[in-house]
Amino acid sequence: NAGVTQTPKFRILKIGQSMTLQCTQDMNHNYMYWYRQDPGMGLKLIYYSVGAGITDKGEVPNGYNVSRSTTEDFPLRLELAAPSQTSVYFCASRNGPYSNQPQHFGDGTRLSIL
Amino acid sequence: GDSVTQMEGPVTLSEEAFLTINCTYTATGYPSLFWYVQYPGEGLQLLLKATKADDKGSNKGFEATYRKETTSFHLEKGSVQVSDSAVYFCALRGTNAGKSTFGDGTTLTVKP
Repeated sequence: NAGVTQTPKFRILKIGQSMTLQCTQDMNHNYMYWYRQDPGMGLKLIYYSVGAGITDKGEVPNGYNVSRSTTEDFPLRLELAAPSQTSVYFCASRNGPYSNQPQHFGDGTRLSIL
Repeated sequence: GDSVTQMEGPVTLSEEAFLTINCTYTATGYPSLFWYVQYPGEGLQLLLKATKADDKGSNKGFEATYRKETTSFHLEKGSVQVSDSAVYFCALRGTNAGKSTFGDGTTLTVKP
């Protein structure tokens, strides 16, 4: 089982560049999430989606955009990269709507902005 | 709103020592509670969960009991191994909530 797959695993961007972090899951989960994890810190929710065509902001959405055109894919877009966006980004999914279902995480994308 | 408070780390133990990582929460209703583990360079993995009061979640020698009276979900293991070195996250999800709330994580290092 592939589970949640994130690409790329590593990326270096210059300030002002844009990029899309890809996330796909093969478990037919309707809920998907994007988090960032700064060094030595916990997870901060950027955006989430409860199903195709539906997205909502988390704690730290500024500077990011998402779309959810299919159940499987939930890409995260950085439009104008800034050094403050240097972080590890995790995508997760879960089977909803029941609250007792755990999240399944990808291995992360390590992003540096110089 | 919902919140999770974890024991501050880092925690350093010798192999075969007893482990407790404290987790308390604030939430309305009856949330589901989770412990996740993150090994170096990897994403989070579910370690165990409990979905109602007095439930005990267990996995790989780790245990945690859902205590509603003290709003706690402390993680314990009787004898830790070097391979248990990781970051441990406590999390909750409220009833009908799309989002989870995570603690800040506790780094555990086990020395031989």
